[in-house]
Amino acid sequence: DAKTTQPNSMESNEEEPVHLPCNHSTISGTDYIHWYRQLPSQGPEYVIHGLTSNVNNRMASLAIAEDRKSSTLILHRATLRDAAVYYCILSWGSQGNLIFGKGTKLSVKP
Amino acid sequence: EAGVAQSPRYKIIEKRQSVAFWCNPISGHATLYWYQQILGQGPKLLIQFQNNGVVDDSQLPKDRFSAERLKGVDSTLKIQPAKLEDSAVYLCASSALSRVGQFFGPGTRLTVL
Repeated sequence: DAKTTQPNSMESNEEEPVHLPCNHSTISGTDYIHWYRQLPSQGPEYVIHGLTSNVNNRMASLAIAEDRKSSTLILHRATLRDAAVYYCILSWGSQGNLIFGKGTKLSVKP
Repeated sequence: EAGVAQSPRYKIIEKRQSVAFWCNPISGHATLYWYQQILGQGPKLLIQFQNNGVVDDSQLPKDRFSAERLKGVDSTLKIQPAKLEDSAVYLCASSALSRVGQFFGPGTRLTVL
């Protein structure tokens, strides 16, 4: 399964945008990019997914590089509730198995 | 819609004892997953069911772990006998065939002493 590389941690200020990067240089043509987040003491929560085009939903935006070797999760206005570990995951097909790495721990300062 | 339910939320046992976890997925979700999450790491898939059949159990330590999903709804995961390294959070997730995204329960935190 293709691997992803994410920074271990990032910090943001409340009400500012946050850009969480993910590198996946070995991505294949059928791999989907998924983002999940895990708040403290909770199970992971689906955030967004995409294949080639940029995607928007009520939680976040996903910007995918043209060569698909990297992507960025964008939180448009961080709140304290967005403090979590964010996982960038590749899966074969849209419903393929998820292989979680260590993710990026996002801290949000008031 | 109601989320994925898991019980118990916490369990402490001695090594070599047995333990069982229960999961009730979101109604209508055909696919059910069990993950193990060790402190500081991301979740690791143990087993995947589609309805009541096993799709993938390649990461399940079958000498001590077992899982079943009777009637394609609820599922139980059992560890017998438990080892110290089994201390982790056990997460259950479910998904619908028609929709991308897995929905996770709150997990069961297991401590093996």
